[in-house]
Formats: sequence, C-alpha cells, structure tokens
Amino acid sequence: GQNIDQPTEMTATEGAIVQINCTYQTSGFNGLFWYQQHAGEAPTFLSYNVLDGLEEKGRFSSFLSRSKGYSYLLLKELQMKDSASYLCHLMDSNYQLIWGAGTKLIIKP
Amino acid sequence: GAVVSQHPSRVICKSGTSVKIECRSLDFQATTMFWYRQFPKKSLMLMATSNEGSKATYEQGVEKDKFLINHASLTLSTLTVTSAHPEDSSFYICSAAPGQHGGYTFGSGTRLTVV
Repeated sequence: GQNIDQPTEMTATEGAIVQINCTYQTSGFNGLFWYQQHAGEAPTFLSYNVLDGLEEKGRFSSFLSRSKGYSYLLLKELQMKDSASYLCHLMDSNYQLIWGAGTKLIIKP
Repeated sequence: GAVVSQHPSRVICKSGTSVKIECRSLDFQATTMFWYRQFPKKSLMLMATSNEGSKATYEQGVEKDKFLINHASLTLSTLTVTSAHPEDSSFYICSAAPGQHGGYTFGSGTRLTVV
C-alpha cells in the first residue's frame, strides 16, 4: 500500500531548530514535497526533493532518503510566524498525490 | 509566475442551492487540476483530479453527482457543489501543476458556508 506518516503535533521554542519527519511507503516515486499551511489559508510550497540529499533554502532545509522512505523538514532560527501546519506529500509513479496528515508546529516564546 | 486564481474566496448559500467555484491558472496551461476539501484542523483531502477535455477522476467516497467538476479549457476548472447541505460547509482548495520549483500551485481557497 501507499501511506505517509508524520507527527501530529510538535512544539518548539522561538530561535531554536526543529526537525519534522516524514516517512512513507510507495510503489513508485516521483518526488516529495513540503508545504506550509497557516490556519484558514491555502498551503504554500516550501520544497521539492526527488534525489537523495539535503536541499537548503534559507532557514528551511529538506532532506530525502529514498532507500529509507524518509524525509525531514528542518526549520532554523524559529520565528513565531512559523507556527503553522507542515504538510508532506509525495507523487507516485502514476503522478498521483499522496498526502500526509500534516504536523501542527507550535512555537513558544 | 505560476499563479492560480480561485473565486469566490467566501460564499454563503442556502441549503438546496448550488454553488460554483472557479479555479484559473493565470500564466500557464494546466492540463491537470486538483480539487481538495479541508475540514477544520484536518489535512487536505483530495476530492478529484480534473483533466482538461475529459471526465474528472473522483476519489473513493466523493459523490460525483454532488460535486460536479468541469475542466473545459487549459486554464479553467470549476467545481459545482449541487444541492448544498450544511455538511458541505468546508474549505475547498484547487491546485494545478506546474507550480514554482516543481511543486503545485494552490488557489487561495473558498470557504463555503451552507445555512
């Protein structure tokens, strides 16, 4: 079967670093995406990984290991505005989208 | 680039009426658009995949006669919620590919309230 798992909720402190993990099982793979979604708003694209390794974009980085079915989103220098849900989803070999349930990230001062 | 415009952003309708939501790709052609539904504090739920010029593919459990999808052109897909019911109240979001950096571009969403 195909599925994606990510933690339901995480809490971190302003200025700190947090890593949100995403594990998946899929019969085919055409890339893994991370999105940020604030309450009541549409998701915004953060990153796309199709090859193994780390992709860094400013305060946000995303890592992929295809052999392990594992990805993580790393957020550095956390700001209060980073409080949001972070959605992990992948595209399988048929270009179908499979979504995780999202991780609610709470940032405390 | 890669902007998706969704309209209306909010709509309130009476039970039994129909509501149409439009999703337009403004600066690119989208052969495939996706329609999602999101309940409060829940992840996105894919409702259907809309393909230009052909019938939409609905996910299991989504009533195709209730949620009519039309993708008549490469830049426009519409979702019509027919005979709306209070349980249909939700946040509906469309997305299309290609988005920036290989991702999907999402519309701003439509908050539907059925009274």
